[in-house]
This record gives sequence, C-alpha cells and structure tokens, in this order.
Amino acid sequence: SQQGEEDPQALSIQEGENATMNCSYKTSINNLQWYRQNSGRGLVHLILIRSNEREKHSGRLRVTLDTSKKSSSLLITASRAADTASYFCATLGAGSYQLTFGKGTKLSVIP
Amino acid sequence: DTGVSQDPRHKITKRGQNVTFRCDPISEHNRLYWYRQTLGQGPEFLTYFQNEAQLEKSRLLSDRFSAERPKGSFSTLEIQRTEQGDSAMYLCASTYLQGGREQYFGPGTRLTVT
Repeated sequence: SQQGEEDPQALSIQEGENATMNCSYKTSINNLQWYRQNSGRGLVHLILIRSNEREKHSGRLRVTLDTSKKSSSLLITASRAADTASYFCATLGAGSYQLTFGKGTKLSVIP
Repeated sequence: DTGVSQDPRHKITKRGQNVTFRCDPISEHNRLYWYRQTLGQGPEFLTYFQNEAQLEKSRLLSDRFSAERPKGSFSTLEIQRTEQGDSAMYLCASTYLQGGREQYFGPGTRLTVT
C-alpha cells in the first residue's frame, strides 16, 4: 500500500523556471524523504526532513513540511534539463522501519 | 564506495520458471531492503534485513517469494514459479541502522515474465 500521494502526477516546465511538487500522507511520521528516479534507474536520495522541522534547504532544493496538514512540498529552483525525472516522497512512520512511497510526480524540463 | 549493486540488471524468463536476483549493499550498511516497482507506481516494500536477520517478511507478495542474507552481506531474492504479474523492477536498498534513515538504492533488476 502507498501512503503518500504526490501532486501533480506530471509537470512540464521551461528550463530556468521553478518546479513545485506536493505530497500528502495519512499517518504520523518520523521523517519524510524525497527521492529522484531517472527513467529505468534506481532512486537517488535528495533530502530528508524530520517531523519536528518545518523547512529544509539543499542547493536548489527547498522542502517544507506541515505535520498538521500531513503534507510536504518540494521546490526545485532554476530548473535544468537534467532535472527531468520522477520525484517521489517517502515517509518513515513513527516507530517504523520501512519507507512508504507515493506514486511520484513526473517532471519534464524543456530546454 | 562503490554503491549498491544488483545483478542481473535485466531478466527475461518464461512463466513457471524460478528466478534469483542478487543485491550487494554498501559494505558498512547493516540494513538491507527489497522493493518492487511497477510501471507508474512508487516502490513497494517487500522485506528487510538487519545484518543476517530477516526482520519483516509479511509484505512479501506470496509464498513464491523468498529472500536471504546468509552472512549479513549480500542478499538474494528468489521468485518461484514466476507469473506474468511478477513482471516489474525489483529494487534493493541499504542503510545504516543508526544513520539518518535515508536509503541508498541499487539500479534495480527489471524482470519480464513471458
């Protein structure tokens, strides 16, 4: 079963624009993580935000977390063609050992 | 650090055959996870090991699926009597027990059952 739901399912933007993806989840979490997957490849960890954090930055990435709304957003600034990939949020439940992934957002950055 | 490796990268098999996939985690990592990913979906957790102990296997999709990690290093995932519905990407990931819980994924094994 999948807990997270990303929105939108697909996003197409021009190079240089910002891309925002949202994730909603259902149960209490220890942390929330974002991963990127290039077509047909494994996943690459991007950023982790703990349940007691509200915002985190890493390079061109900005993640926010609102535990009261059980939602998170991933912002990619100044997008590049190389950012074209699927982006997944994954939650680690409180007291859990496993990540639960959403269905992902497919991002296309047009040069 | 060579990362997580998986072998083979692609496997085509006929329905009813058995297949086995191998995962070599990052050497210092003591937790190893298996996931299945179908087209258009996120990875779905199957099972995980802490060292050689399999601590969760209830999510394995059926009794045709089994996994081992005999010496706490590499792991194998076996599917017996494959069915067309088993066609998917099988992903392995590893992490530190005491780490930030971010997982490091291998490139996956794509299984096609004909």
